[in-house]
Amino acid sequence: DQQVKQNSPSLSVQEGRISILNCDYTNSMFDYFLWYKKYPAEGPTFLISISSIKDKNEDGRFTVFLNKSAKHLSLHIVPSQPGDSAVYFCAASADAGGTSYGKLTFGQGTILTVHP
Amino acid sequence: EAGVAQSPRYKIIEKRQSVAFWCNPISGHATLYWYQQILGQGPKLLIQFQNNGVVDDSQLPKDRFSAERLKGVDSTLKIQPAKLEDSAVYLCASSSIRLAGPGAQYFGPGTRLLVL
Repeated sequence: DQQVKQNSPSLSVQEGRISILNCDYTNSMFDYFLWYKKYPAEGPTFLISISSIKDKNEDGRFTVFLNKSAKHLSLHIVPSQPGDSAVYFCAASADAGGTSYGKLTFGQGTILTVHP
Repeated sequence: EAGVAQSPRYKIIEKRQSVAFWCNPISGHATLYWYQQILGQGPKLLIQFQNNGVVDDSQLPKDRFSAERLKGVDSTLKIQPAKLEDSAVYLCASSSIRLAGPGAQYFGPGTRLLVL
């Protein structure tokens, strides 16, 4: 039962252009969404998050959009840089303030390659 | 501030053998997580500790996996006996309850396990 899905295994983008990574979820109890970035041989690092009460959150070159009715979120990177090449994981949490605080359900990941 | 430490970084064992992984979280972080990441998939939570106590171990295969957190600091994850399907990267993460939002999980580099 894959509750968080990233249907694109990979994405290739030219430097300076926009990268758009997509994520879909099925559990309507999810109320907090996150993006993690992972380089080879390293653990995932937190990138950006969004609460379900918002539809957009921006941090520098990174913007996350949430469409609750479609159960879809996306990460936009503008402009893309070669150093952004990594695996990007979407993750979701339910009942963030309750007993499942911090429990994350991850998608399968999308490999982003930014070409110079 | 030192990050999450894990050892060993790599381990190769034969099926039916036992193996143990060690994690030292960031100092002062009360919550500790163990994740299993199979190739091509996102991390899957195995167990979550809050100080010494287990908060969630619903996805831990308890017939072969065990985990403990000594004195609310270091943690060990053990597999006995190992199966071929246990080949994966085992990630340890920690977080502080004082940080805002469930996104604030800091991951270690992981232990890559290969079961032959």
